[in-house]
Amino acid sequence: NAGVTQTPKFRVLKTGQSMTLLCAQDMNHEYMYWYRQDPGMGLRLIHYSVGEGTTAKGEVPDGYNVSRLKKQNFLLGLESAAPSQTSVYFCASRATSGGGEQFFGPGTRLTVL
Amino acid sequence: GENVEQHPSTLSVQEGDSAVIKCTYSDSASNYFPWYKQELGKGPQLIIDIRSNVGEKKDQRIAVTLNKTAKHFSLHITETQPEDSAVYFCAPRPPYNQGGKLIFGQGTELSVKP
Repeated sequence: NAGVTQTPKFRVLKTGQSMTLLCAQDMNHEYMYWYRQDPGMGLRLIHYSVGEGTTAKGEVPDGYNVSRLKKQNFLLGLESAAPSQTSVYFCASRATSGGGEQFFGPGTRLTVL
Repeated sequence: GENVEQHPSTLSVQEGDSAVIKCTYSDSASNYFPWYKQELGKGPQLIIDIRSNVGEKKDQRIAVTLNKTAKHFSLHITETQPEDSAVYFCAPRPPYNQGGKLIFGQGTELSVKP
């Protein structure tokens, strides 16, 4: 079991470039989440999904798009990167039943110049 | 929505001492109270959680206590060790929360000095 994996681990973009971050989980979880983490601000929810083919906005969705075409994958896209999107991005997943534990990936460090 | 505050933002203790981190929340309907630990360069990991029908829960050296009346819950770490050094987050959650979303506190950076 790999748990939650994220690709890539690091990325540097120039302002205006686009990219997609990939999150994959092998635990058959229904729920998946994308967060960003900035110094002194904890983790803030960008978008989330409650199942294959569904997505919903979180706390800070502007400038990002997501897709959940397959249950095990959750993609986060930046269409036109801005320096304000420099951050560490974490993906997480959760089962619908049992406790409320979210399982996190190792993170992607993104720098936008 | 839920407003969450953690105190202190940084905490430094000597190895073997106890550490306490407090989390205050605003939504009285919240019924799930987890604590996550984030080590340097890694994603957060759940270390302990409690539900609203329980006042205290222990797991070896860590414990969580809940005061629903005052709307706060605390993380207690006893006999601290250098490997406890990390950032700790609380994330209280109300039952009406679609998708099980968590609202995280700002984090507490714990440093355990040998």
